[in-house]
Amino acid sequence: DTGVSQNPRHKITKRGQNVTFRCDPISEHNRLYWYRQTLGQGPEFLTYFQNEAQLEKSRLLSDRFSAERPKGSFSTLEIQRTEQGDSAMYLCASSMGLAGGQDTQYFGPGTRLTVL
Amino acid sequence: GESVGLHLPTLSVQEGDNSIINCAYSNSASDYFIWYKQESGKGPQFIIDIRSNMDKRQGQRVTVLLNKTVKHLSLQIAATQPGDSAVYFCAEKTDKLIFGTGTRLQVFP
Repeated sequence: DTGVSQNPRHKITKRGQNVTFRCDPISEHNRLYWYRQTLGQGPEFLTYFQNEAQLEKSRLLSDRFSAERPKGSFSTLEIQRTEQGDSAMYLCASSMGLAGGQDTQYFGPGTRLTVL
Repeated sequence: GESVGLHLPTLSVQEGDNSIINCAYSNSASDYFIWYKQESGKGPQFIIDIRSNMDKRQGQRVTVLLNKTVKHLSLQIAATQPGDSAVYFCAEKTDKLIFGTGTRLQVFP
């Protein structure tokens, strides 16, 4: 499978614990995006990378959230001191980074986080 | 501010019929739109896109129509099949995607 992969697929944690998710993009894609999706809603943008550079962060990305893409390939999203409101599906997407707007983002299967 | 929204949360259609899913947007400067399909437990899957300099674009069994005058776009699915059952999102594309809430399409025999 050469699509976007995410691990783990499911994570259950207790409030206050730290969690880390991993995303492996499509190999030739320069851009990598993180979104959060709650039940019944569309995905909401969190942040994105062009290679290893983090270019934009949403106001949804509080100080407890940090994302990295150290070598411009896979990315990690860490949530510190999790809260019940962090429970959601965390989606990763990647794209080639083409100019002109028509730069299709391809999504992974997501990591579902449940904070007890 | 920007927003992308959908008119109907759930659409039920009979297998073989055509489906029409609608979407409204508020930013008249929006230039590029995408329709995604999301099945249960999966990430969104790209269906079709359209730029603002187009009124219509066709794919395999799908057509997207864009009406810039009323800031409305629609996704038409011909001969709807059980495998089309999913939540459909329209999204505005800038550097990131701005999604609407979604419409659940249910196909019954």
